[in-house]
Amino acid sequence: NAGVMQNPRHLVRRRGQEARLRCSPMKGHSHVYWYRQLPEEGLKFMVYLQKENIIDESGMPKERFSAEFPKEGPSILRIQQVVRGDSAAYFCASSTVGEKLFFGSGTQLSVL
Amino acid sequence: QKEVEQDPGPLSVPEGAIVSLNCTYSNSAFQYFMWYRQYSRKGPELLMYTYSSGNKEDGRFTAQVDKSSKYISLFIRDSQPSDSATYLCAATTGGGNKLTFGTGTQLKVEL
Repeated sequence: NAGVMQNPRHLVRRRGQEARLRCSPMKGHSHVYWYRQLPEEGLKFMVYLQKENIIDESGMPKERFSAEFPKEGPSILRIQQVVRGDSAAYFCASSTVGEKLFFGSGTQLSVL
Repeated sequence: QKEVEQDPGPLSVPEGAIVSLNCTYSNSAFQYFMWYRQYSRKGPELLMYTYSSGNKEDGRFTAQVDKSSKYISLFIRDSQPSDSATYLCAATTGGGNKLTFGTGTQLKVEL
């Protein structure tokens, strides 16, 4: 049973470009969470999704960030017009109802 | 003030030592407390999960929660070099997976 798969592992973008981060949850998991880990800071909750629904996006920046979890395919975290401050490790995690989170290995985003 | 505070370390101990890792929190609504282990360039892995105050033991690991002082601890007995990692404490209010994390404590267990 493959774990939570994130790709790419490393993503380099120039300021103003778009970044698309993908997450395939563990088999059988229908709940996906995105967390961001900035240098010198802890993991911070961004968004919680179920298939085709955003359940809680209270941690998402108001502009440039969006997330989706379509009926088919991986969850996508999209960052438009990236800035240097977006450089961070982005972790996806998945779970079933009421169960613990399993984290992926993360995508390290570097904005030049 | 951060909701969950954690000393970043680094903490260096000899193999076989007892390790004590600690966090404090400010949100009285937190009811569920977790410890995660994160190896370099990997995602966090859940070690311990506790509800409210009390102790929980799992092998070499013991988690303690004292809600009266808003203090949570992780003890590692007979520490091994493979325990070298960053340890993150986390808390949540309703038992869901919207977690508030500390910044992590880097632990190195030396031969």
